[in-house]
Amino acid sequence: QKEVEQDPGPLSVPEGAIVSLNCTYSNSAFQYFMWYRQYSRKGPELLMYTYSSGNKEDGRFTAQVDKSSKYISLFIRDSQPSDSATYLCAMKADSWGKLQFGAGTQVVVTP
Amino acid sequence: DAGVIQSPRHEVTEMGQEVTLRCKPISGHDYLFWYRQTMMRGLELLIYFNNNVPIDDSGMPEDRFSAKMPNASFSTLKIQPSEPRDSAVYFCASSFRGTNTEAFFGQGTRLTVV
Repeated sequence: QKEVEQDPGPLSVPEGAIVSLNCTYSNSAFQYFMWYRQYSRKGPELLMYTYSSGNKEDGRFTAQVDKSSKYISLFIRDSQPSDSATYLCAMKADSWGKLQFGAGTQVVVTP
Repeated sequence: DAGVIQSPRHEVTEMGQEVTLRCKPISGHDYLFWYRQTMMRGLELLIYFNNNVPIDDSGMPEDRFSAKMPNASFSTLKIQPSEPRDSAVYFCASSFRGTNTEAFFGQGTRLTVV
């Protein structure tokens, strides 16, 4: 079993809809949680960074961490075609630790 | 800054040949990471350097893989001999002051071994 599980999708939504993405993990030591966005044939870029449990909002993006359930989520409001990309979750146990990535979920926002 | 620069962008080689991938990190960054991305295994960390010194190479799959960082502005990942199962996209990333900060990724090298 992988340490980080993420549904690869694809997830197709109409423009303006809310995109809901999630990852589950098995290592209770994970404390740092990140979401990366990767456009086709590009490198990943950091989207959201959260330490421990709770919510974090940045514009149209909201990241949630529920450590009791070992579950993290990313919500994209008012989705745009430009949000079409693969979204990868990543996490680690301490600030100097190795990042464990999920497989990535492909999102397609149709006009 | 131009960001992390990787070369070549694409590489097609025959099984058994030596392959060298190159990376120029962002100026001033002191951490450099090499990742491999495949459909089957996702994104995996191969090795990372701090101030040009290899810190953790536990992700390097086999002795056929080696990485060097001769100075702060250049790193190589070498595969010798290459095999078809090495086909993947290889990313280099760099960060400032450690793994706790944002790592900036290059555009990757798409390697195909036939």
